[in-house]
Amino acid sequence: GEQVEQLPSILRVQEGSSASINCTYENSASNYFPWYKQEPGENPKLIIDIRSNMERKQTQGLIVLLDKKAKRFSLHITDTQPGDSAMYFCAAQSSNTNKVVFGTGTRLQVLP
Amino acid sequence: EAAVTQSPRNKVAVTGGKVTLSCNQTNNHNNMYWYRQDTGHGLRLIHYSYGAGSTEKGDIPDGYKASRPSQENFSLILELATPSQTSVYFCASGEPQKDTQYFGPGTRLLVL
Repeated sequence: GEQVEQLPSILRVQEGSSASINCTYENSASNYFPWYKQEPGENPKLIIDIRSNMERKQTQGLIVLLDKKAKRFSLHITDTQPGDSAMYFCAAQSSNTNKVVFGTGTRLQVLP
Repeated sequence: EAAVTQSPRNKVAVTGGKVTLSCNQTNNHNNMYWYRQDTGHGLRLIHYSYGAGSTEKGDIPDGYKASRPSQENFSLILELATPSQTSVYFCASGEPQKDTQYFGPGTRLLVL
């Protein structure tokens, strides 16, 4: 299978707190895991990614973790701001097909 | 940044009519993709291409055809449009082995 499950579908957090989004994948050949942010009416834009040779990556308030054994990866946004409110998609790319399978998305709302 | 453009940006079609969505990228990427985005489903892959002359079926190809006449252009064709094809369609391009996909601005299609 190539499904990617993403939870939660809606996430509301207070400004300044952290937010976490979790994804699981089925295809053991997946080796690349990007995260996209989509503002209303806009296209998805890559914000951070991680490859299967890493367990953790951090950039500008974003942390991604990858647990290959559990086929699970997650995005953590620290010190959330109103500008972080958006849809977030995780994805998994197979090393043998180049196809990217997306999760169903998480709508993050950062409350003032 | 990668430049991917789509036309038209908005389209109203009648059931049974033919619809062609166009995508152009100026970054000389080999891979191009067509997705549709629907609430609750995230981004689903319809067709993709590895280069000029190649088209491959994605996860939901039924009712759609694709054409890649050149490196720069990738079209999605709905020969007999149906209301269930009302959606937002995104084109993307990327390089094999570099993994990152760059999305176009999207086309909002309404089939009446």
